[in-house]
Amino acid sequence: GQQLNQSPQSMFIQEGEDVSMNCTSSSIFNTWLWYKQDPGEGPVLLIALYKAGELTSNGRLTAQFGITRKDSFLNISASIPSDVGIYFCAGIIQGAQKLVFGQGTRLTINP
Amino acid sequence: GAGVSQSPSNKVTEKGKDVELRCDPISGHTALYWYRQSLGQGLEFLIYFQGNSAPDKSGLPSDRFSAERTGGSVSTLTIQRTQQEDSAVYLCASSSKTLSLGYTEAFFGQGTRLTVV
Repeated sequence: GQQLNQSPQSMFIQEGEDVSMNCTSSSIFNTWLWYKQDPGEGPVLLIALYKAGELTSNGRLTAQFGITRKDSFLNISASIPSDVGIYFCAGIIQGAQKLVFGQGTRLTINP
Repeated sequence: GAGVSQSPSNKVTEKGKDVELRCDPISGHTALYWYRQSLGQGLEFLIYFQGNSAPDKSGLPSDRFSAERTGGSVSTLTIQRTQQEDSAVYLCASSSKTLSLGYTEAFFGQGTRLTVV
């Protein structure tokens, strides 16, 4: 079953606005990854986080590995039309070897 | 190759037929993952390979699904006696080492869209 809770499920924003989404779990994670998926494509890795408390940026994207190791957030600043897509969090549960995914956040931007 | 390659990109098959989906991982990547994504849904884990062995097959939906990997490289996902509920995008990912060891990422192919009619 689903081990990651990602929210919100969808977002409708104006171009230029900032975006925030997060993932939580009852399990402890060793790694958090954030992916973006465009229609008809496979997910593309945006940011990887490996240590509790780690804050990492990639351009306008910022993500953090929660201090409890049970959550992570992704922020997008000053959104632009090409940010449209579905964003997935993913993580490796402590002691496991598979990557589990959140349900995704569908981002729609009004110009 | 430069990235994870999957073939075919699209497959339409009749209910009851068998299908084979292929994944060519990034050269040198020892770990390989198969996921299934239904329309508008998240990614459902199917199976994980480390080298040629599959330590985790827990996500395979039924015994109609099987996968193998040869030479520590190419993997094939086989679905026997396909059903309409098997229609989905099947995604493959590879990484350079076991993800539980940390300090690595999984890279995805573009997927195979399977439609069972």
